[in-house]
Amino acid sequence: QLQLQESGLGLVKPPETLSVTCTVSGGSISNGNYWWTWVRRPPGKRLQWIGIINYRGATYYNPSLESRLVMSVDTSKSQFSLNLNSLTAADTAIYYCAKAVQVTGSSLIDYWGQGIMVTVSS
Amino acid sequence: EVVLTQSPGTLSLSPGERATLSCRASQSVANNYLAWYQQKPGQAPRLLIYGASSRATGIPDRFSGSGSGTDFTLTISRVEPEDFAVYYCQQYGRSPYTFGQGTKLEMK
Repeated sequence: QLQLQESGLGLVKPPETLSVTCTVSGGSISNGNYWWTWVRRPPGKRLQWIGIINYRGATYYNPSLESRLVMSVDTSKSQFSLNLNSLTAADTAIYYCAKAVQVTGSSLIDYWGQGIMVTVSS
Repeated sequence: EVVLTQSPGTLSLSPGERATLSCRASQSVANNYLAWYQQKPGQAPRLLIYGASSRATGIPDRFSGSGSGTDFTLTISRVEPEDFAVYYCQQYGRSPYTFGQGTKLEMK
């Protein structure tokens, strides 16, 4: 049974950098059919797709976040990570990691982690 | 980007009733790549439907999806007590992939 577990600091000061890591267990992070995904939900707002990374490190980012965003993968630790810099209060959200499967021309999220709440406040 | 609008915002039903949830897109969803997710409080979202009408593994057949282009529907033929939750649609046909704001299915 695949498990995804987010970890990271729950409180970050602006304009510092948010770092969240997702640990994958019960499945292989190196499966070439998978895209490792980040999604967030700010309080009272809809879910926002942040971006995806595969085991080789290929990435696709949401253009609205791309200038502040870096995703990485460490297959030796079965982890992938999200770094978002120049934080403001608008980045306060529940951050979810998820697994997406490759479909023709796209990727479909079929499994989600529980999420981690990150608050940006001084 | 593709904006998804879900209606109604809240749906109040009794167990055994039929639930019809709508998701409308601001432009045609490429390849009908439209998914539905269910989320209960404190839990991760769960994939119900993908490709507008295909049920995910292990999803009961009382859940069905339909629609194409810009109008999509999730139907629960007879609502069970465990179905009360929030439902989200998502389009994954055109990046950035986007989500609807959610419909809350609550017990009347």
